Amino acid sequence: EDQVTQSPEALRLQEGESSSLNCSYTVSGLRGLFWYRQDPGKGPEFLFTLYSAGEEKEKERLKATLTKKESFLHITAPKPEDSATYLCASISGGYQKVTFGIGTKLQVIP
Amino acid sequence: DTGVSQNPRHKITKRGQNVTFRCDPISEHNRLYWYRQTLGQGPEFLTYFQNEAQLEKSRLLSDRFSAERPKGSFSTLEIQRTEQGDSAMYLCASSVAGTVTDTQYFGPGTRLTVL
Repeated sequence: EDQVTQSPEALRLQEGESSSLNCSYTVSGLRGLFWYRQDPGKGPEFLFTLYSAGEEKEKERLKATLTKKESFLHITAPKPEDSATYLCASISGGYQKVTFGIGTKLQVIP
Repeated sequence: DTGVSQNPRHKITKRGQNVTFRCDPISEHNRLYWYRQTLGQGPEFLTYFQNEAQLEKSRLLSDRFSAERPKGSFSTLEIQRTEQGDSAMYLCASSVAGTVTDTQYFGPGTRLTVL
């Protein structure tokens, strides 16, 4: 069974303090690794899809990277509006089932 | 592109009642998914449609749960004889088939509270 583990579960940063969120996965036949952002009471908002080890994608202050065992979401100089839960998810096999981690709840303090 | 919409946004019901939720995917998206999310957890896959065909169901989807997508457009998720353990956020997502890995776009969710 596919497993996706995210750490830390919660992270508190000062505004401007860069950090990284970790997503480790045990997936048979990984086809893609997603990152989503979720605000309280809302649905997940798509950020990135990574397909193969070594791939990197960037969007504003966020950069996602992928290795054969884990993915990182790097946040550079975060702002309070970056506060949210960040979810990592894998897709594998011949169908469209996505397995999510429990997320990292990020709080950025002004 | 108006995004994925879900109705109702909130539903409070008494144990034992039936509830039905609706999801309207992004137009032209032929794949539709249902997930359940409880507090502090990531979304859990429930079921998936390609057009009107239900192609995958999780073992989380007990006999009390049924989903339909009659014309390959909107979808409904019905829960019969609700239990307190059914209280959760029910999320719908849609995607376009034909890429290596479809990106799933989520709706705002329907929050169900079973009293």
